[in-house]
Amino acid sequence: DTAVSQTPKYLVTQMGNDKSIKCEQNLGHDTMYWYKQDSKKFLKIMFSYNNKELIINETVPNRFSPKSPDKAHLNLHINSLELGDSAVYFCASSQRLAGGLEQFFGPGTRLTVL
Amino acid sequence: GQNIDQPTEMTATEGAIVQINCTYQTSGFNGLFWYQQHAGEAPTFLSYNVLDGLEEKGRFSSFLSRSKGYSYLLLKELQMKDSASYLCAAADTGRRALTFGSGTRLQVQP
Repeated sequence: DTAVSQTPKYLVTQMGNDKSIKCEQNLGHDTMYWYKQDSKKFLKIMFSYNNKELIINETVPNRFSPKSPDKAHLNLHINSLELGDSAVYFCASSQRLAGGLEQFFGPGTRLTVL
Repeated sequence: GQNIDQPTEMTATEGAIVQINCTYQTSGFNGLFWYQQHAGEAPTFLSYNVLDGLEEKGRFSSFLSRSKGYSYLLLKELQMKDSASYLCAAADTGRRALTFGSGTRLQVQP
């Protein structure tokens, strides 16, 4: 009974390709997030969605486009992949949009761009 | 802006006590989280403090001083499985998001 799931777990691709990462949560939460964790282990917010509405878009290149078909899913599409996009991408969810609520993280997707 | 500082690495001995410090600067402060992250895994929630003082949860305790912009995580009776990164994160009412520190990598030795 996985709470937050992501696919794929590993993604290896060439520069210039387009790829997607999918995320689903079965917790009934209203809010979902995408984080990027780089090689120095900084976990940085990229996007947050609340009930399918974009709330935060943190200075992320527009090659990254999140899509939320319903409040249980938040997918991340990346166009024209660059070497610097190599990182671990974590999806997370929280009960609602409030800064003081615990976030539940997915297992992460390790993206390697060659 | 947001700024979170914590030590990069710490080493401690099995059975001992270790304190991991975190200082933060954030506008619209709405609490301080600690997460544990084992290598190659997702962060998992440990604690949340929004009021000053100490919160105890088994072998783990977390402390907050809002006036000093300071928190610590205290781990007692260390076990080998406690070897992990410990991430400090501040919540703010404005962005309604968490700002994470770079994490403290704790190595527990026999």
